[in-house]
Amino acid sequence: EVQLLESGGGLVQPGGSLRLSCAASGFTFSNYAMSWVRQAPGKGLEWVSGLSGSGGYTYYADSVKGRFTISRDSSKNSVYLQMNSLRAEDTAAYFCATGGRLSGSYYYFDLWGQGTLVTVSS
Amino acid sequence: EIVLTQSPATLSLSPGERATLSCRASQNVSTYLAWYQQKPGQTPRLLIYDASNRATGIPARFSGSGSGTDFTLTISSLEPEDFAVYYCQQRSNWPPLTFGGGTKVEIE
Repeated sequence: EVQLLESGGGLVQPGGSLRLSCAASGFTFSNYAMSWVRQAPGKGLEWVSGLSGSGGYTYYADSVKGRFTISRDSSKNSVYLQMNSLRAEDTAAYFCATGGRLSGSYYYFDLWGQGTLVTVSS
Repeated sequence: EIVLTQSPATLSLSPGERATLSCRASQNVSTYLAWYQQKPGQTPRLLIYDASNRATGIPARFSGSGSGTDFTLTISSLEPEDFAVYYCQQRSNWPPLTFGGGTKVEIE
């Protein structure tokens, strides 16, 4: 079965760190660019970060640049999001996502994980 | 950054009616625009890509049109399962990839 499974969310204090993981299965992971998209409670979707299939190119939203780092380990079919200096406004469900299976572009997202909730609060 | 503005914020319609959702881009995105459907407690589902191409498995009642800065998602005849929030997203000029704020289609 083709799927993405996130883990690593939780409650963290402002200024703290958290590392999210996303495990892929059912497809050739190394061929696919990956992204993280977040959704604050009751709000819309916000793209956070993306990573090329090779891992050589990384991209970030301005809101997280310098604080978050995306990476991947193709031997583990996994992508990660290291989140440092967390703020209350980072509170959201974080989804890993990819595309290209239904649309021809890695950046139209046709495969989503179920999400992991990050809460930044004291 | 390309800003996508969706309208209306909420659309109140009855099953069987036609729904017309709008997405306006702050800059020309050509046809590099997608539409998603999200139901409560679920992840988004890709409906349309490149402005007018239906993703695999998406019913024919969903159609997309437009280019440049103005785009439309049309649901020709609403089914009960179509009541949800819809988002547009561009991949023309990025980073960042950007999403619109969403249109909620609710039962009148």
